[in-house]
Amino acid sequence: AQRVTQPEKLLSVFKGAPVELKCNYSYSGSPELFWYVQYSRQRLQLLLRHISRESIKGFTADLNKGETSFHLKKPFAQEEDSAMYYCALTPKSGGYQKVTFGIGTKLQVIP
Amino acid sequence: DAGVIQSPRHEVTEMGQEVTLRCKPISGHDYLFWYRQTMMRGLELLIYFNNNVPIDDSGMPEDRFSAKMPNASFSTLKIQPSEPRDSAVYFCASSFGGGLGEQFFGPGTRLTVL
Repeated sequence: AQRVTQPEKLLSVFKGAPVELKCNYSYSGSPELFWYVQYSRQRLQLLLRHISRESIKGFTADLNKGETSFHLKKPFAQEEDSAMYYCALTPKSGGYQKVTFGIGTKLQVIP
Repeated sequence: DAGVIQSPRHEVTEMGQEVTLRCKPISGHDYLFWYRQTMMRGLELLIYFNNNVPIDDSGMPEDRFSAKMPNASFSTLKIQPSEPRDSAVYFCASSFGGGLGEQFFGPGTRLTVL
């Protein structure tokens, strides 16, 4: 079974402070990991995925297989980063389709 | 492209009534997903289709829930009879099989069962 854990439902940080949204997963095979984001009044959308090794809007995420984690980080938070963030996992086998989402973390950036 | 389209955006109904949610995926996408979002459980995958064929419905909670995809541009999720615990936001998403898993979500349908 695949499982994604986001331990914090709410994370509040001041503008300019570093951000780390935690994500831990459990899966016996080889997973692909994603972060999705939902801004206020907008649709849920992909932020970044591990396979692309990309940095989007200043966010990065490193896959740590030893700790089974995929934490999302940004060195300096901006007010426009306030949103719901979902960590997600899909097996590499089967075409990356069956995605399991974490419960989500609400990031609140305080001006 | 308008993206994934869902209707209605809001639905309020009484317990025992039939509810039908509709989804139009992005043209060219060959996967379609139905999710349910609640405060307690987050986003749960209910069922997904590939080329209009249901692949995995293990997330469908009960026989009261059913989903169909009669063609590549339309899918429905039906709840009959509805119960108050079905109140949630229901999302439809679509993806392209060669797209490394990125899913494109609709705006969601907020269902309230009284």
